[in-house]
Amino acid sequence: GQQVMQIPQYQHVQEGEDFTTYCNSSTTLSNIQWYKQRPGGHPVFLIQLVKSGEVKKQKRLTFQFGEAKKNSSLHITATQTTDVGTYFCAGRNWLTGGGNKLTFGTGTQLKVEL
Amino acid sequence: ETGVTQTPRHLVMGMTNKKSLKCEQHLGHNAMYWYKQSAKKPLELMFVYSLEERVENNSVPSRFSPECPNSSHLFLHLHTLQPEDSALYLCASSRTQGENQPQHFGDGTRLSIL
Repeated sequence: GQQVMQIPQYQHVQEGEDFTTYCNSSTTLSNIQWYKQRPGGHPVFLIQLVKSGEVKKQKRLTFQFGEAKKNSSLHITATQTTDVGTYFCAGRNWLTGGGNKLTFGTGTQLKVEL
Repeated sequence: ETGVTQTPRHLVMGMTNKKSLKCEQHLGHNAMYWYKQSAKKPLELMFVYSLEERVENNSVPSRFSPECPNSSHLFLHLHTLQPEDSALYLCASSRTQGENQPQHFGDGTRLSIL
């Protein structure tokens, strides 16, 4: 079955440092979504990428979809304590046809220290 | 306030008990989902409903029984659960079951099996 791996599993940074998490799928994806889950909270949708090589920005967050549509990355510039949480990518295998069945990645837990 | 409400927030039950988890969405969405989130594991999709019809059952044991009486409500009936079923159960909804739809999650029910 489809697998979506993320690295690193954990990341500790000092406030102000940059952070990147990488998402890799075993199959080609039709699109990729990113979610953030704060400690004790629920996943919250951040963004969706659909096109090969697409790059989108949300303030300090930059999202990229690989040319082969099998990988993606999220980069945070100058982290803040509010960035703390677990970041999940979620993709849909284009071979499975229609539907909104997402396969979630393993997640990267980010901790930011002052 | 996410627009997706889950009750109860916490549930402790014995292996022989029968209980139900409830999810209600106030977003006018047509698709609803149940996910299981265990420690150190990616989110696992359990069931997908579209317009009250089950469209996905991800090989979930029969001790979990979903019910979707209308497009706003989703239940997960539990009976004779096992200790490994202890997890956070998340409900989500999306506008349709089609692709490229972000999912909106509830706060989850933290389930502990004694």
